[in-house]
Amino acid sequence: AQSVAQPEDQVNVAEGNPLTVKCTYSVSGNPYLFWYVQYPNRGLQFLLKYITGDNLVKGSYGFEAEFNKSQTSFHLKKPSALVSDSALYFCAVRAPGGGSYIPTFGRGTSLIVHP
Amino acid sequence: SQTIHQWPATLVQPVGSPLSLECTVEGTSNPNLYWYRQAAGRGLQLLFYSVGIGQISSEVPQNLSASRPQDRQFILSSKKLLLSDSGFYLCAWSHGAQETQYFGPGTRLLVL
Repeated sequence: AQSVAQPEDQVNVAEGNPLTVKCTYSVSGNPYLFWYVQYPNRGLQFLLKYITGDNLVKGSYGFEAEFNKSQTSFHLKKPSALVSDSALYFCAVRAPGGGSYIPTFGRGTSLIVHP
Repeated sequence: SQTIHQWPATLVQPVGSPLSLECTVEGTSNPNLYWYRQAAGRGLQLLFYSVGIGQISSEVPQNLSASRPQDRQFILSSKKLLLSDSGFYLCAWSHGAQETQYFGPGTRLLVL
């Protein structure tokens, strides 16, 4: 079985400060990990993913995430937050290999960036 | 480039009425297709997924059904809506080898 946890329902940060949105996972084997962002009344947008290779993954809008196998984490980070980054962020994990192509999503973390 | 469409964008329906939500994908072939429901702006609940025409897998038992009559068309239906069917319905597609899911704009359903 695979699972993902986003321990914070909400993260508050001041504009210009660095931000971190946390994600931990549980899966058999090497995971496929994803981050998505959702703006109000919109569908989810893909930000970045880790499949293999460099543990630091760079994605859209200046976001990056670091895969940490020993801590089973894949935290989303940005060096300098913008008010426009305020949105709902989802982490997702999928076990490798064949079979169904169904990732498991976390419950989401609401990021609020204050001016 | 690939695009995914959902309609309608918003729907208000009385309890007991039927439902049909449509999702189409352009610019790709043989995608995996998914229906999710999102309640109260939070977590995603996977309802159905499909790996090919006529192949539907249901994740949760409920009064909803799905069909895939064409390669890039995915339909979510109900014969009789319940109040609990209200929510934000999202369609998504992926190519198995690439794994990333791409989501449509969603349909906001309110059952009264």
